[in-house]
Order: sequence, then structure tokens, then C-alpha cells
Amino acid sequence: EVQLVESGGGLVQRGGSLRLSCVASGFTFTSYAMSWVRQAPGKGLEWVSTISGSGDSTYYADSVKGRFTISRDNSKNTLYVQMNSLTAEDTAVYYCAKTRDVSRYFDWLSWGQGTLVTVSS
Amino acid sequence: QSVLTQPPSASGTPGQRVTISCSGSSSNIGTKTVNWYHQLPGTAPKLLIYSNNQRPSGVPDRFSGSKSGTSASLAISGLQSEDEADYYCAAWDDSLNGVVFGGGTKLTVL
Repeated sequence: EVQLVESGGGLVQRGGSLRLSCVASGFTFTSYAMSWVRQAPGKGLEWVSTISGSGDSTYYADSVKGRFTISRDNSKNTLYVQMNSLTAEDTAVYYCAKTRDVSRYFDWLSWGQGTLVTVSS
Repeated sequence: QSVLTQPPSASGTPGQRVTISCSGSSSNIGTKTVNWYHQLPGTAPKLLIYSNNQRPSGVPDRFSGSKSGTSASLAISGLQSEDEADYYCAAWDDSLNGVVFGGGTKLTVL
């Protein structure tokens, strides 16, 4: 059974930094692209970033480009996102998501439970 | 303002068939495949439809997807109370070089 468990969320001041983690199990982690998708309180879904299985390729939404860095440690089956220069607009539940197929990057079959990031002003 | 446009709400009675539309442009739906997700309150999203009209294992065949030109639709037949949720369409956008979502449609089962 695929399991994705996020951690690292919390309250941070505007301009601060936070690193989220997502520990994966139940599948061959290195074979799958992984992504972060967020949802602001009461709002819709927003794609944040994606990384290939090898970690060689990364993709970012314009809203986070230059501030967020996605990475992975395949030896630890763990996905990360380093978030810097946080603003109130980054307040959201952040979901870790696994793609449906090894050949796919952007359709997400499995999701974690999410971790809440709150940026205070 | 979302790049993909969905109606904010939809409704139906048990047993009815409802459709949810998703309108885009040539840089996304017009040339890329569409995925649909649904989300129950307080839970993570779930993939309902991928590649326009394919269902992941375990998704009932009451759910179907279609695409024509720069628009896509999700149809739910035999509506059930547990279908009450938020529904989102998504696609890659070549102009933005990223995944774009619709704003979501809240489905109410009357």
C-alpha cells in the first residue's frame, strides 16, 4: 500500500523559511516523479513543484520559482521542499503527491494527508 | 482567477446524471490531456479521471470524462450522496510551463 506522510509544517513569520518532508513507502520511490500541491484555506488546488524520479529534472510554478527548492533523497525515500522568503500567500495545506505511472509526471494517484503551513505577518 | 474555468457549483438529486464543465485554451486543454480530481471536505484530493477519459482502478464507471477542443467535461451518472464533494480539472499549460487547475466545482446532492 502506498503511503505518503508529510511533516514540517507550522507557523512561520513572513520572510522566514521552512522545509517540508514527505516520507514515502509501498512503492519503488526512485521510479516515480513526485510533486507538491497546495491548497490555501477555503481555496482550490495549486500545483507547486515536481521532481523526476532521479532528481535530475525539476519544475516550479511561477508563484514559487526562485523561493522554493524541491529535492529528494532516494536512499531515504523522502521528498523535500525548502521554502524561503515566505509570504501570507504561501499559507496553505501542502500535499505530497505521487504520479500514477513511472512514465507520467503530472497526474497524481496517491496523496499524503497534507501539512499546514501558516505564514504570519 | 483560474486558468481553467469551472462552474462554482452544481447539483442533482440521487440517481440523476450531472456534468461539470472545464474550459481552457489552446495552450492547455486544446493540446494536453485533462485530469479530474475530487475532494471530500477535510481530506486529500483523489484522482478520478486521467488522460481525458481513463479511470484509475477502483473508480466506479459512473464517472466518465470527455474532451472536445478547448473544453472538457466530467459526467457522473446514478448520482449518490457520497458524490457530494469538490471537483477539479487540471492540465499542463504550455504557455505557463506548469500544471493549471480549474477553480473547483462544489457538487451538492439534493
